[in-house]
Amino acid sequence: NAGVTQTPKFQVLKTGQSMTLQCAQDMNHEYMSWYRQDPGMGLRLIHYSVGAGITDQGEVPNGYNVSRSTTEDFPLRLLSAAPSQTSVYFCASRPQGLTSYEQYFGPGTRLTVT
Amino acid sequence: GQQVMQIPQYQHVQEGEDFTTYCNSSTTLSNIQWYKQRPGGHPVFLIQLVKSGEVKKQKRLTFQFGEAKKNSSLHITATQTTDVGTYFCAGPRYGQNFVFGPGTRLSVLP
Repeated sequence: NAGVTQTPKFQVLKTGQSMTLQCAQDMNHEYMSWYRQDPGMGLRLIHYSVGAGITDQGEVPNGYNVSRSTTEDFPLRLLSAAPSQTSVYFCASRPQGLTSYEQYFGPGTRLTVT
Repeated sequence: GQQVMQIPQYQHVQEGEDFTTYCNSSTTLSNIQWYKQRPGGHPVFLIQLVKSGEVKKQKRLTFQFGEAKKNSSLHITATQTTDVGTYFCAGPRYGQNFVFGPGTRLSVLP
């Protein structure tokens, strides 16, 4: 199993550009989420999904869109990049259910917006 | 809203010394998780604590969950250079999500 994969690993955007960060998992996990990590602020939840066709907002959703058409894929779209979106983005997945909440994280995408 | 705080923010230790990081929540938690993130890496799950007063050990790492289920700690005995990284605690928030603390960055001097 590849686990959780993310592409690209690095990206530089100009203000106003749009792009999609890709995330895929091969563990058949129903729950997937996107976090951003900024220095001294830990991981903040952007959007999450509890299954194909179901998405919801997290703590910091503004400026981002998501969709979940399949169990495997959960892309994150930046609509119009701003310097405040410079961050490291992590995708995570885990099994659904009450007994296991361990999250598996992807390797991350380092995004710089100039 | 619910907050999870961690102290200290940074800790520098000499190899062989012990290290402890503390996690405090503004609300009672049903469970708490701990993750480790190596420099340049991604968070990796270490453990989940569920019961009041629970203590779990993983080799040199000891995890505790407070009696009131509002605080937790991670203690590392005799640190090694492989322990370098940032340690995060995370507590449940609405739905099935978790809120992460800001982390404690540990550096170990050889």
